[in-house]
Amino acid sequence: EADIYQTPRYLVIGTGKKITLECSQTMGHDKMYWYQQDPGMELHLIHYSYGVNSTEKGDLSSESTVSRIRTEHFPLTLESARPSHTSQYLCASSALTFNEQFFGPGTRLTVL
Amino acid sequence: GESVGLHLPTLSVQEGDNSIINCAYSNSASDYFIWYKQESGKGPQFIIDIRSNMDKRQGQRVTVLLNKTVKHLSLQIAATQPGDSAVYFCAATEGPGTSYDKVIFGPGTSLSVIP
Repeated sequence: EADIYQTPRYLVIGTGKKITLECSQTMGHDKMYWYQQDPGMELHLIHYSYGVNSTEKGDLSSESTVSRIRTEHFPLTLESARPSHTSQYLCASSALTFNEQFFGPGTRLTVL
Repeated sequence: GESVGLHLPTLSVQEGDNSIINCAYSNSASDYFIWYKQESGKGPQFIIDIRSNMDKRQGQRVTVLLNKTVKHLSLQIAATQPGDSAVYFCAATEGPGTSYDKVIFGPGTSLSVIP
């Protein structure tokens, strides 16, 4: 059982609000990722990190930002939410020497 | 751009039968492939992976076949059970020299098991 957590699980907010999606893992993994997934659709990588103080943008253009101050924590922030941000956001982690990614349960975001 | 796709968006299988889920990829330089299972309300879960120097790999009740000639891979599930009902994603790396971290996911096939 993977130990990776995301909060909140569900969030409904109004346009223009600033939000932070939390992701934590207790496996000591160096690599962490954020994906965006629309229902039934493929995952799109939006951010990833190789370790503390490392952050990179993924393939999908995103108006979000991430930080990696601690190994176990990889929060994603939207400065001003818009309806186009409505989606599911999945966090994942993996060890440096292994390719298997462990996913959290996701945060389903709705922006009104 | 590169793409990874599945042949059928939905698949219904009788309990006990074998399931085959297919996937095609476009980048001939992709060298690492992964299958994930996603149950409703959960994040994807790793099932099995295969590298381009192999054409078959077996796990518990699952087998992945890779055909690099036609850029196709498949996931076979033996003796399908109700608990196998989920959306299955294939994913591929972008190409040689690319970190295995960046993979491209296909759109998913929804497997329904009929009791």
